[in-house]
Amino acid sequence: SQKIEQNSEALNIQEGKTATLTCNYTNYSPAYLQWYRQDPGRGPVFLLLIRENEKEKRKERLKVTFDTTLKQSLFHITASQPADSATYLCALLNYGGSQGNLIFGKGTKLSVKP
Amino acid sequence: GAVVSQHPSWVICKSGTSVKIECRSLDFQATTMFWYRQFPKQSLMLMATSNEGSKATYEQGVEKDKFLINHASLTLSTLTVTSAHPEDSSFYICSAPGPGQETQYFGPGTRLLVL
Repeated sequence: SQKIEQNSEALNIQEGKTATLTCNYTNYSPAYLQWYRQDPGRGPVFLLLIRENEKEKRKERLKVTFDTTLKQSLFHITASQPADSATYLCALLNYGGSQGNLIFGKGTKLSVKP
Repeated sequence: GAVVSQHPSWVICKSGTSVKIECRSLDFQATTMFWYRQFPKQSLMLMATSNEGSKATYEQGVEKDKFLINHASLTLSTLTVTSAHPEDSSFYICSAPGPGQETQYFGPGTRLLVL
């Protein structure tokens, strides 16, 4: 079965620096990969989706890369701000499950210090 | 953007009682909704897929008689935790697929504490 690993449980960085979060997966390569943000006690919020034929995707200060050879996605937040502090989840389509069925990594808790 | 609401946002109940959690899509219709459970510092675990007009599909290891799901309309799905036990205490989150069925819109979650 497909597995997702977000290697860092927590990441602490200084305001203004670039945060880089890692997501690795095993087995098959998905048609697309997604990143979500989750604040404490709240449901996740969709951020970005990157397809297997896309190497990189950007949205404002966010950048996602997708390397199907390494089976890895990197999520970058440039010019980080304290408001970026949250848990970031990587998600893949769960093949064999219902349409739209996603499996999630455990997440990386990002703390941006002023 | 699409909004999904959940009610209640938190609930405390006694062991052995049943608790119903509602999930609504506010400005769009959802023939499918997903129910997740999340324990502290753990990932979201899919419990079941709620299908409007048909039975829910449960993930392996999830008791369908304990977690009753009813997709009453194109905008409402309910999860009822029957005969709740302390180990059922968790954060329950629902979601509905966005356009193209690729991304998901999540509700704010329901914190359940069973005493």
